[in-house]
Amino acid sequence: AQSVTQLDSQVPVFEEAPVELRCNYSSSVSVYLFWYVQYPNQGLQLLLKYLSGSTLVESINGFEAEFNKSQTSFHLRKPSVHISDTAEYFCAVSAHHQGGSEKLVFGKGTKLTVNP
Amino acid sequence: NAGVMQNPRHLVRRRGQEARLRCSPMKGHSHVYWYRQLPEEGLKFMVYLQKENIIDESGMPKERFSAEFPKEGPSILRIQQVVRGDSAAYFCASSLLNSPLHFGNGTRLTVT
Repeated sequence: AQSVTQLDSQVPVFEEAPVELRCNYSSSVSVYLFWYVQYPNQGLQLLLKYLSGSTLVESINGFEAEFNKSQTSFHLRKPSVHISDTAEYFCAVSAHHQGGSEKLVFGKGTKLTVNP
Repeated sequence: NAGVMQNPRHLVRRRGQEARLRCSPMKGHSHVYWYRQLPEEGLKFMVYLQKENIIDESGMPKERFSAEFPKEGPSILRIQQVVRGDSAAYFCASSLLNSPLHFGNGTRLTVT
């Protein structure tokens, strides 16, 4: 079984400051890793994913995450945040080859608030 | 290309009533997943379905909850005899085989 820990439930930052949202996971098998973003009263949108290959993955809006197998981490970073990045961010894992099932295990989420 | 459509967006039920939540997957997607989000919690997997088949229901409560994905029409999550603890946001997601999930905007169920 897999589990995900998001260490910070809330992260307040000022606009244009850097931010890191932490995510650690545990699993006895190889996993895929994901970050989803949820804006108020909306569903989750896929921000970025790690499936294989380069351990550094990037999104189109400036976020990046690095898969660190030895530390079982997949922290999300952005060098300079905008007001519009205010949202809740969820880290998730799924085990490889679950018969085609993308059964995701989610962390409890981190609420990022960007202040002017 | 429409995304995953869920309705209703908000649903209020009294204790003991039935709640029916509907989900139309993205066009061409044959895999549907239901997740539940309780306040201050992440999403919890409930059930995974393909057309006319339940593949994995390991996250479904043993009683009162059921799900279906018929050959024609949307997937339905049905909760019988609702209780206050069923109040939550219920999200549907769809995908192609071995592809990332696309989520709907959810149905927020309130049991009074």
